Amino acid sequence: DIQMTQTPSSMPASLGERVTISCRASQGISNYLNWYQQKPDGTIKPLIYYTSNLQSGVPSRFSGSGSGTDYSLTISSLEPEDFAMYYCQQYDSSPNTFGAGTKLELK
Amino acid sequence: EVQLVESGGGLVQPGRSLKLSCLASGFTFSNYGMNWIRQAPGKGLEWVASISSSSSYIYYADTVKGRFTISRDNAKNTLYLQMTSLRSEDTALYYCARLNNPYWYFDFWGPGTMVTVSS
Repeated sequence: DIQMTQTPSSMPASLGERVTISCRASQGISNYLNWYQQKPDGTIKPLIYYTSNLQSGVPSRFSGSGSGTDYSLTISSLEPEDFAMYYCQQYDSSPNTFGAGTKLELK
Repeated sequence: EVQLVESGGGLVQPGRSLKLSCLASGFTFSNYGMNWIRQAPGKGLEWVASISSSSSYIYYADTVKGRFTISRDNAKNTLYLQMTSLRSEDTALYYCARLNNPYWYFDFWGPGTMVTVSS
């Protein structure tokens, strides 16, 4: 199985700050890398799919990049509703696997 | 509006069985592959099982293979997960999610249903 190493596991940040979350795959995943946001009530929604494609309805302050084994999610200017958990997922190889998550916390 | 609503969770003793359902609406259910993903308390996300639109292709995580069965009824717009020989480590919030093909990501998720395996 492909292991997804997501860093950091938690990140204190301030409103308006630019943040980046990283995800490293144990082998190349051909850009089949997705990002999800989970709110404290458990609601999960996709943010970015296939490395850099913004899901419909997601604000443009979210962006994704990467290639090969290294990928990242960037939030250009944090809003109050962005403090949540974030997960990366690879879907290049079966079984699809998730990173352990990053908790974005208000500093 | 796409909606996925899971049901059937609850408290069950180790070794017993439970069947989860996921009712879909707002899209043509029979056109999409569907998945179950779970999250143990305080832990991350773990893919559990997937089924193609016509049930031709079915896959399971090794942790549930031989114990769980995914199925669907396209006439009822419903996805199922039959869980047998339940263990304490199966305790989790179970989500159903729609698979977006060809980009291979889960584009809609339900709110989840909680399964607790305990004596």
